[in-house]
Amino acid sequence: AQSVAQPEDQVNVAEGNPLTVKCTYSVSGNPYLFWYVQYPNRGLQFLLKYITGDNLVKGSYGFEAEFNKSQTSFHLKKPSALVSDSALYFCAVRDKGSNYQLIWGAGTKLIIKP
Amino acid sequence: EAQVTQNPRYLITVTGKKLTVTCSQNMNHEYMSWYRQDPGLGLRQIYYSMNVEVTDKGDVPEGYKVSRKEKRNFPLILESPSPNQTSLYFCASSWQQGLTNEQFFGPGTRLTVL
Repeated sequence: AQSVAQPEDQVNVAEGNPLTVKCTYSVSGNPYLFWYVQYPNRGLQFLLKYITGDNLVKGSYGFEAEFNKSQTSFHLKKPSALVSDSALYFCAVRDKGSNYQLIWGAGTKLIIKP
Repeated sequence: EAQVTQNPRYLITVTGKKLTVTCSQNMNHEYMSWYRQDPGLGLRQIYYSMNVEVTDKGDVPEGYKVSRKEKRNFPLILESPSPNQTSLYFCASSWQQGLTNEQFFGPGTRLTVL
């Protein structure tokens, strides 16, 4: 069965330090991977996606994610964290086996401390 | 401005009192979906619609109804709400239900059923 795991409920990073939010997935076919961000009292916003090609994907607000097929991971990264990056981050995956529906991770709360 | 709107944003009601949460998008998207978000569970899909007059169950459809009479609107109906439907609800839309399309989310509706 298709699934997404975000192993950390919360990640704490000091402002200016690099950040990583982890995501691993399990699908039967080729994965199509997405990251979304949810700021307090807001809806989810699309950050970036991996469809095919270069394993390093760049997205909004300086975020990037690295697709690793052998480790079935799609970790979200940013070289230098900002306090304004504090939010809830969701990883999602879809493939033909999920009937095109998005399978969501539970979310990771990112806290950037000044 | 391209957007997904939901109304109401906040609703407190009592068990058994029928309610409707409206969702409208102005992007001419074919695909629309309803999710509920609960702490630690991420997003769970309630219903989705591939196009006008085409709807299908998601992962947690019990206790909910939807309709898609027009392309832009996708209301969520709770015929007899119960306390376990207290949650944060999101409507989302995308161009088509393909593998690569990202979804656009509304601001959310926080529902409390007493």
